[in-house]
Amino acid sequence: AQSVTQLDSQVPVFEEAPVELRCNYSSSVSVYLFWYVQYPNQGLQLLLKYLSGSTLVKGINGFEAEFNKSQTSFHLRKPSVHISDTAEYFCAVIPLSSGSARQLTFGSGTQLTVLP
Amino acid sequence: EAGVTQFPSHSVIEKGQTVTLRCDPISGHDNLYWYRRVMGKEIKFLLHFVKESKQDESGMPNNRFLAERTGGTYSTLKVQPAELEDSGVYFCASSQFGEGAFFGQGTRLTVV
Repeated sequence: AQSVTQLDSQVPVFEEAPVELRCNYSSSVSVYLFWYVQYPNQGLQLLLKYLSGSTLVKGINGFEAEFNKSQTSFHLRKPSVHISDTAEYFCAVIPLSSGSARQLTFGSGTQLTVLP
Repeated sequence: EAGVTQFPSHSVIEKGQTVTLRCDPISGHDNLYWYRRVMGKEIKFLLHFVKESKQDESGMPNNRFLAERTGGTYSTLKVQPAELEDSGVYFCASSQFGEGAFFGQGTRLTVV
């Protein structure tokens, strides 16, 4: 079984400041890693994903994440946030060996609030 | 291309009533998933269809929940009878190859 831990439930940050949202996972097998974002009153939108290759992954809206296998982490970063980045962010994994059962295991979410 | 569409966006029903949620996946996506988020907790997997077949329903909470996928197209999730603890946001997602999925906007279900 897999588990995902998002260490911060709430992250307030001032506009134009950098931000890092932390994600750690636990799995006995290799995994694919994802970050989803949910803007107010909207559905979940895929921000970025790591499947293989370079451990630094760039996503939409200027976000990037780095996969660290030794630390089992996949932290999300943005060098300068905007008010419009206010949303809830979810880290998730899919085990590589799950065959056709490709369901996501999610973390509990991090609410990012960008302050003016 | 249309995304994943869910109906209704909100539903308020009384305990003991029946509610049916609908999901229209992205055209051509064989994989369809249902997830649920209750009371601000983690988003939890409910079940997975591949075309019209249930591939995995290990996340279904109990036999009050029934999911179907007619002809491998849209899917419905029926809750009968609804209980207070069924309140939450129900998400549908679809994918073609199973490596990540596209989500709908969710249905917020409130049981009173």
